[in-house]
Amino acid sequence: AQTVTQSQPEMSVQEAETVTLSCTYDTSENNYYLFWYKQPPSRQMILVIRQEAYKQQNATENRFSVNFQKAAKSFSLKISDSQLGDTAMYFCAFMTALPTGANSKLTFGKGITLSVRP
Amino acid sequence: DSGVTQTPKHLITATGQRVTLRCSPRSGDLSVYWYQQSLDQGLQFLIQYYNGEERAKGNILERFSAQQFPDLHSELNLSSLELGDSALYFCASSSQYGYTFGSGTRLTVV
Repeated sequence: AQTVTQSQPEMSVQEAETVTLSCTYDTSENNYYLFWYKQPPSRQMILVIRQEAYKQQNATENRFSVNFQKAAKSFSLKISDSQLGDTAMYFCAFMTALPTGANSKLTFGKGITLSVRP
Repeated sequence: DSGVTQTPKHLITATGQRVTLRCSPRSGDLSVYWYQQSLDQGLQFLIQYYNGEERAKGNILERFSAQQFPDLHSELNLSSLELGDSALYFCASSSQYGYTFGSGTRLTVV
């Protein structure tokens, strides 16, 4: 069974600084997809970034980037120039099938609460 | 607006009652997933439907059931409700980029 571990329950960062959120996972599959989702106080689940395991290049979306270490089964999220609106819970998630596939269950970590201080 | 519509947004009901949560996936998405988010259990996968057929089952109680209709909307039925069923219930549909979530239904059982 696939598992996703987020060992840090909470983190805090000063506005405009950089923060890294950690995530590790366990799988015997070679092809899979990794995601970071953000859940602000509104409770809406918002996709932040995704990474395909077959791609060596780390994904980047504006201020958000990942450090994907396949051998170590590590998938950390770096948020640069942190903004107050980044305050949210962040979930790391894992999927083995294509997102459009018939059996594409997403497995989540327990999440980390990030607070951005003004 | 994510394109995934969930109704109702809030539901308060008594123990022992039955409720139905509704979800309409994004246009063109064939899969619908149901997740339960509670404080102590995090996000738990309940069930997946793909083009009307059940494809995967997770930690879904026997008191819960779901279906996906020909127009691809889905309903999650929760019966004999207990206090512990109070949670946020999410529906999601999937595209090539990943899941898109609805805004959730907050269920409170009193």
